[in-house]
Amino acid sequence: GAVVSQHPSWVICKSGTSVKIECRSLDFQATTMFWYRQFPKQSLMLMATSNEGSKATYEQGVEKDKFLINHASLTLSTLTVTSAHPEDSSFYICSARGVGQGTEKLFFGSGTQLSVL
Amino acid sequence: GNSVTQMEGPVTLSEEAFLTINCTYTATGYPSLFWYVQYPGEGLQLLLKATKADDKGSNKGFEATYRKETTSFHLEKGSVQVSDSAVYFCALDTNTGNQFYFGTGTSLTVIP
Repeated sequence: GAVVSQHPSWVICKSGTSVKIECRSLDFQATTMFWYRQFPKQSLMLMATSNEGSKATYEQGVEKDKFLINHASLTLSTLTVTSAHPEDSSFYICSARGVGQGTEKLFFGSGTQLSVL
Repeated sequence: GNSVTQMEGPVTLSEEAFLTINCTYTATGYPSLFWYVQYPGEGLQLLLKATKADDKGSNKGFEATYRKETTSFHLEKGSVQVSDSAVYFCALDTNTGNQFYFGTGTSLTVIP
């Protein structure tokens, strides 16, 4: 079946550095990718929706300059947490929707645990 | 706004027990509703879905009925197995502009 590869699965970084998380669709073309953030015992919060070749659409309250999203190809979207701080520590998860597929064809990556020291 | 409220866990059941995980939603328009499951160390997988009121989604012995009058989509299974141990997420698609929302997730542990 379709697979979405997300990495790194776990990253620890120093405060002030930037971290890039990759989300790849391995055997299908993803026209739309979603980025979520999850705090312990809380909902997966939709951060942004990205469509290949266009700017990402951010949810209210999500800082565009803080969380840079690039969806440069039909198989790759990246989330860069810029100048990370301890409050950015969280679990980030991506999902991808393929060409011509409805929501039932929404595939998820395994997530990235970010810890900012 | 749009949101999903899900029963808090963790839930621990004995094998063959009956399972209910409650999920209610708030949404404008006509959303589609989903249950996703995440097994340990894996990504989220679609378990079942319902796209309109009174639809029943079912898969692997799990069922959920889209109840518009109570804005609910409770997950049920008549007899759980150890292999059902996972985290279950209720989710909503507004069907307008790629907006997809999740509940908090409910951890289920089934003991032999």
